[in-house]
Amino acid sequence: EIVLTQSPGTLSLSPGERATLSCRASQSVDYNYLAWYQRKPGQAPRLLIYEPSTRATGIPDRFSGSGSGTNFTLTISRLEPEDFAVYFCQQYANSPPGTFGQGTKVEIK
Amino acid sequence: QVHLVESGGGLVKPGGSLRLSCVGSGFIFRDYYMSWIRQAPGKGLEWVSFIGSSGETKYFADSVKGRFTISRDNAKNSMYLQMNSLRAEDMAVYYCARVSRSGYKLESWGQGTLVTVSS
Repeated sequence: EIVLTQSPGTLSLSPGERATLSCRASQSVDYNYLAWYQRKPGQAPRLLIYEPSTRATGIPDRFSGSGSGTNFTLTISRLEPEDFAVYFCQQYANSPPGTFGQGTKVEIK
Repeated sequence: QVHLVESGGGLVKPGGSLRLSCVGSGFIFRDYYMSWIRQAPGKGLEWVSFIGSSGETKYFADSVKGRFTISRDNAKNSMYLQMNSLRAEDMAVYYCARVSRSGYKLESWGQGTLVTVSS
């Protein structure tokens, strides 16, 4: 089983700042089958980015994904008030249906 | 617009049973694998189960194998999770999600339903 480790656990930033979130895999993620999701309290989680730089439908271009192999990054270029949330990664290359990271909380500083 | 709504959560005693339901709308339900994901307090997400579009393919996490069953009724755009022999560690928010047709990413999620296991 591939273990995903996200860092940092919490990111304290101000609106307008850049957020960089990391997702590290215990072994290489084939085909870069890595996705990022956003979850806000009381809302359904939302698919943001997959494989590993394609934005899902309706996701603004301030969200971008990059990486390959074992190291992946989600970047939010300029934080908007609605971006403060928990973000988690998922690999779906190994042992369907895959595994999730433990999440990074982006909070207002 | 894709919409998924879970129901059936609640308080149950250890050893008890609960049946969760998920109704989908805004897409052709019978064309998609569907899944249940959960998040226990203070823990990460765990993929509990998924079911193929026709109901023939099923997956269960080791933690629930033999206790949970999954089913669907495509005529009702619905999926179900029957949870038996519930344990304290099954307490979580349970999400229904639609699985992509290209890879096991989760394209759409419901808001979740809370299952509390306590005496």
